Amino acid sequence: ETGVTQTPRHLVMGMTNKKSLKCEQHLGHNAMYWYKQSAKKPLELMFVYNFKEQTENNSVPSRFSPECPNSSHLFLHLHTLQPEDSALYLCASSQGAGAGDIVSYNEQFFGPGTRLTVL
Amino acid sequence: QKEVEQNSGPLSVPEGAIASLNCTYSDRGSQSFFWYRQYSGKSPELIMFIYSNGDKEDGRFTAQLNKASQYVSLLIRDSQPSDSATYLCAVNSYKLVFGAGTILRVKS
Repeated sequence: ETGVTQTPRHLVMGMTNKKSLKCEQHLGHNAMYWYKQSAKKPLELMFVYNFKEQTENNSVPSRFSPECPNSSHLFLHLHTLQPEDSALYLCASSQGAGAGDIVSYNEQFFGPGTRLTVL
Repeated sequence: QKEVEQNSGPLSVPEGAIASLNCTYSDRGSQSFFWYRQYSGKSPELIMFIYSNGDKEDGRFTAQLNKASQYVSLLIRDSQPSDSATYLCAVNSYKLVFGAGTILRVKS
């Protein structure tokens, strides 16, 4: 595997289900990100992890719960989602930043995304 | 005011022409600037980044940055039908902020 991979590629779930999205990066990066892309809207940054520590949570509802067990893996746990949460969820990674540095200065590489449909 | 603004397009150019994609941003403290290409149904792919005022060339692509005017652009020379995609401008200050993208259509 190379680059950034995401599973599953497609997911259909009911509002009462619990599911998880998985992201893995094979680039030796230390920063990972979750983005949401809805139709005709800009990419929305959801969460940022730098060296496994969450450095940003962009006012994301608690029904989205991220987990970063190590610098190569990132999860997004989903529960009691709403139909408006249907979107493409993209994972990205970049070089990590040291303390006091801004991680997002570095170019980010995206995974293929998970197309989520909430019924 | 949107943080990063792009004309949604579509921008239509004939094959072989120069396509010019523009982006303005609101945060004067922005330090780095990126152009991503996104084909329909695919994820964004980084094609250029620029940090300093002026031009940066990579093959058929040239990124131009003018921090005083808060303006960044992407020129695509000798446009090909395979360049047809949505081009996303991303601007970095404290976090990476994306524009909504410009749809480019190159007609053969």
